Amino acid sequence: GQQVMQIPQYQHVQEGEDFTTYCNSSTTLSNIQWYKQRPGGHPVFLIQLVKSGEVKKQKRLTFQFGEAKKNSSLHITATQTTDVGTYFCAGPGRFGAGTRLTVKP
Amino acid sequence: EAQVTQNPRYLITVTGKKLTVTCSQNMNHEYMSWYRQDPGLGLRQIYYSMNVEVTDKGDVPEGYKVSRKEKRNFPLILESPSPNQTSLYFCASRAGGLFNEQFFGPGTRLTVL
Repeated sequence: GQQVMQIPQYQHVQEGEDFTTYCNSSTTLSNIQWYKQRPGGHPVFLIQLVKSGEVKKQKRLTFQFGEAKKNSSLHITATQTTDVGTYFCAGPGRFGAGTRLTVKP
Repeated sequence: EAQVTQNPRYLITVTGKKLTVTCSQNMNHEYMSWYRQDPGLGLRQIYYSMNVEVTDKGDVPEGYKVSRKEKRNFPLILESPSPNQTSLYFCASRAGGLFNEQFFGPGTRLTVL
């Protein structure tokens, strides 16, 4: 069945450094969604990518969907302490394991 | 306010004692699902429902039951809980299509002793 792999599992950065998490699927995805879960909270939807090669931006966050629609990435520029949390990618019905981001002030 | 609610938020129980975690949404969503979250494993889908009286197994359905008698409610039932079902559980809902975002409940932390 469809597998969604996400790396890295953990990332610790100094505030102001950049951060990237990668998501790879064994099959072509119709769409991919990204969610953020703050510590102690629940996943909250960030964005959805649908088109091959699509790039979307939300302030310091940049989301990409690969040309083959099998991979995606989330890049955060100049991390802030408010970025702390776990970021999940999700194909239809299946979530990646998440990347837990910690930020040192 | 549009939301997904779960109850209880925290539960400690013993092996074999049947329990139900309730989930309710007020957004008239067709699709609802249950996930469990374990360290290093992310969110794994237990069961989902495409609409009233339509339910199907997710990736980890063993030991769980669900029902969908009304559109707004989707309870998760553990007939005979075991310690390996200790986890953080999330209910989620979305409007019908695959391309819609999921809204998650606040979570239920279950401990089975």
